[in-house]
Amino acid sequence: EVQLVQSGAEVKKPGESLRISCQGSRYSFTTYWISWVRQMPGKGLEWVGRIDPGDSYTNYSPSFQGHVTISADRSITTAYLQWTSLKASDTAMYYCARHEGGYYERWGQGTLVTVSS
Amino acid sequence: SYELTQPLSVSVALGQTARISCGGNNIGSRNVHWYQKKPGQAPVLVIFRDNNRPSAIPERFSGSNSGNTATLTVSRAQGGDEAEYYCQVWDSGTFFGGGTKLTVL
Repeated sequence: EVQLVQSGAEVKKPGESLRISCQGSRYSFTTYWISWVRQMPGKGLEWVGRIDPGDSYTNYSPSFQGHVTISADRSITTAYLQWTSLKASDTAMYYCARHEGGYYERWGQGTLVTVSS
Repeated sequence: SYELTQPLSVSVALGQTARISCGGNNIGSRNVHWYQKKPGQAPVLVIFRDNNRPSAIPERFSGSNSGNTATLTVSRAQGGDEAEYYCQVWDSGTFFGGGTKLTVL
């Protein structure tokens, strides 16, 4: 069965850096884009951006452009979402999801990021 | 950018039919997908490309899309259907509706 397994919960201070991961297994990792989706506490789903693991092409929601970086390492079938300087407003659950022609049937279990001084 | 508008909440009596709308400019010309989101769980795809169900989703879930409104229909609603439901489209980026809380009374 196709799986996306995300890294564990993180607690960070404002200004710190962070990279969370999403490892795909049991499918051809370079065939499907990976997207990241944010859900802030009590709020809805927001698309952060996506990467094509085949060529590392990325595009981002304007709301997140310049604040996060999405990358991938094909050799270990893993995608990443990273911040260089976290803010309290980055506190949220982050999901990775496999892009399947416009929709997402496979999701990671989520990574809770808490940013607090 | 593409805006999708959903009602904040929909209530349905147990065993009855719930309809959740998703409004967007000429949304009928786009593929619309729907997700069920329960607290503490990852989203689950319930409808893709307007009216297609993944194999694990019951036939009670169906979708339609025309004009400026897409609709998710949940027939014979059960307590386990209580969740937030989100519509989504892809247009050089992913756009989600604001989500609708479905309450089964």
